[in-house]
Amino acid sequence: GAVVSQHPSWVICKSGTSVKIECRSLDFQATTMFWYRQFPKQSLMLMATSNEGSKATYEQGVEKDKFLINHASLTLSTLTVTSAHPEDSSFYICSAPPQGAPPQGYTFGSGTRLTVV
Amino acid sequence: GQQVMQIPQYQHVQEGEDFTTYCNSSTTLSNIQWYKQRPGGHPVFLIQLVKSGEVKKQKRLTFQFGEAKKNSSLHITATQTTDVGTYFCAGRRSGNTGKLIFGQGTTLQVKP
Repeated sequence: GAVVSQHPSWVICKSGTSVKIECRSLDFQATTMFWYRQFPKQSLMLMATSNEGSKATYEQGVEKDKFLINHASLTLSTLTVTSAHPEDSSFYICSAPPQGAPPQGYTFGSGTRLTVV
Repeated sequence: GQQVMQIPQYQHVQEGEDFTTYCNSSTTLSNIQWYKQRPGGHPVFLIQLVKSGEVKKQKRLTFQFGEAKKNSSLHITATQTTDVGTYFCAGRRSGNTGKLIFGQGTTLQVKP
């Protein structure tokens, strides 16, 4: 089945620094990748959709300049949290749309737990 | 905007008891999907329902999609400790570009 590899699994960074999170589709090409944020004991909130070859589309309320999304190739999408602050501490997870026929569920990366100190 | 409401937020059951979580959308959905997330893990796809009134079963799990394609339920018969986790429904609206909108999730605890 489809596999999305997400790195790093966890990261601790200082306030004001930037953190890059990578998601790679290992055995398929993903023209689209969805990025979610999940706070403890809460649901997954869609942040943005990355599209290979074009600009990402952001959900309402998500700061484009703070959460930089790049879909560099058909197998790589990245999320960079710039000038991170403690309130950005969260679980970030990417997801690729269904693959194959008939299409089934979305494939999620393993997630990145970000702690900003 | 589109909202997907899910209840209850938490459920504690004794092993062997049944469990049900309900999902309701403010808009008609083209399909609804269910995911399970174990503590510290990522969501794992369980099933997708597409047709109005559809019912699907996976061993002890029964999934239903409402006639109006606005609500859904997941029922687990005779829960086991391995069923522990958070169950999310996720709706995809008709004509949507593929975005999934997740419900709040129901966290299931099973006492052995």
